Amino acid sequence: SQQGEEDPQALSIQEGENATMNCSYKTSINNLQWYRQNSGRGLVHLILIRSNEREKHSGRLRVTLDTSKKSSSLLITASRAADTASYFCATDGGGGGADGLTFGKGTHLIIQP
Amino acid sequence: ETGVTQSPTHLIKTRGQQVTLRCSSQSGHNTVSWYQQALGQGPQFIFQYYREEENGRGNFPPRFSGLQFPNYSSELNVNALELDDSALYLCASRGGRSTDTQYFGPGTRLTVL
Repeated sequence: SQQGEEDPQALSIQEGENATMNCSYKTSINNLQWYRQNSGRGLVHLILIRSNEREKHSGRLRVTLDTSKKSSSLLITASRAADTASYFCATDGGGGGADGLTFGKGTHLIIQP
Repeated sequence: ETGVTQSPTHLIKTRGQQVTLRCSSQSGHNTVSWYQQALGQGPQFIFQYYREEENGRGNFPPRFSGLQFPNYSSELNVNALELDDSALYLCASRGGRSTDTQYFGPGTRLTVL
């Protein structure tokens, strides 16, 4: 079963604009991770935010986490054509990872040149 | 490049057959997880191996089984293939200094006819 739900399911913006994707989840977490996937291939890890963190930055990426609302957002600033991909949030409930990561269905982002 | 490799890249099987997929984890990583990603969905956790023992399993039947070897490489075996087993199979490794972040391989695309 999928714990997380990304919103929107699809997003199309112009190059240079900012893209914001949201993720909601259902149970308590140890950390939340964002991944990118190009054309149905392997997942690329973007950023990890722990349950005791509220915001994290990495280059053009900014992630927020609100554990009280069980939600997270991923902001990509100054988007580029190469950012076109599917983006997934994944939650880790802890326990040594024995339950694995629980992924949402993803947001398909299209950057138009 | 994550350093995680998978083989084969693509595979076509018929219903009822058995298949073995292989994964080489990133150097220094002692934990391997397998995920199934159906078209248009997020990955779903199959199981996790830590130091050659399965220590976590998702909601998959026993015909999905695995192995982890002393060099931490891994196999996923699926018996009695069904049409719904058609998917992208991803392995991910973690460990070393970054125990929470999972590094994914490029995946094996399995088609069951």
